[in-house]
Amino acid sequence: GAVVSQHPSRVICKSGTSVKIECRSLDFQATTMFWYRQFPKQSLMLMATSNEGSKATYEQGVEKDKFLINHASLTLSTLTVTSAHPEDSSFYICSARDRWQVDGYTFGSGTRLTVV
Amino acid sequence: GQSLEQPSEVTAVEGAIVQINCTYQTSGFYGLSWYQQHDGGAPTFLSYNALDGLEETGRFSSFLSRSDSYGYLLLQELQMKDSASYFCAVDSSGAGSYQLTFGKGTKLSVIP
Repeated sequence: GAVVSQHPSRVICKSGTSVKIECRSLDFQATTMFWYRQFPKQSLMLMATSNEGSKATYEQGVEKDKFLINHASLTLSTLTVTSAHPEDSSFYICSARDRWQVDGYTFGSGTRLTVV
Repeated sequence: GQSLEQPSEVTAVEGAIVQINCTYQTSGFYGLSWYQQHDGGAPTFLSYNALDGLEETGRFSSFLSRSDSYGYLLLQELQMKDSASYFCAVDSSGAGSYQLTFGKGTKLSVIP
């Protein structure tokens, strides 16, 4: 089945630094990937939709200059959290769907970001 | 906009049956899906309903009524490992792309 590989799984960084999270579709082409964040005991909130070869579409309230998304190829999307602050500490998850898959989406394993 | 309602917590006994309901309001609807998420992990896909009726996959079944904007996930022969959060999600279109909107999740606790 479809597999989405997400790295790193955990990262701790200092305030003011930037962190890059990668998501790769391993056995399918993902023209669209979705980035979510999830705070403890809460639902997944869509941050942005990443489209291969074009600019990402951000949800209302998500700062596009802070959360940089790049989708340079059909199998790779990256989320960079710039100038991270402690309030950015969260669980970030990507998802994608093979265009031949008619039902659910495949999620990456998630990245636990802690900003200290 | 999109909104989904599901119970926040459910407790059930091992071996029993539990039903988790989900009602939704959405613009643009392609289907209702269910995901399971264990603490600290990523969501995993359980089921998808595009048409009215019941879909069965092993111990799990999912139902959809599009006219009622309602669906449910049915878990049978509950096992301890089924303790997790369960999210319903509407598969809809927006900005030219498909996307998922998640409910707030139902935390299922299975007790001996």
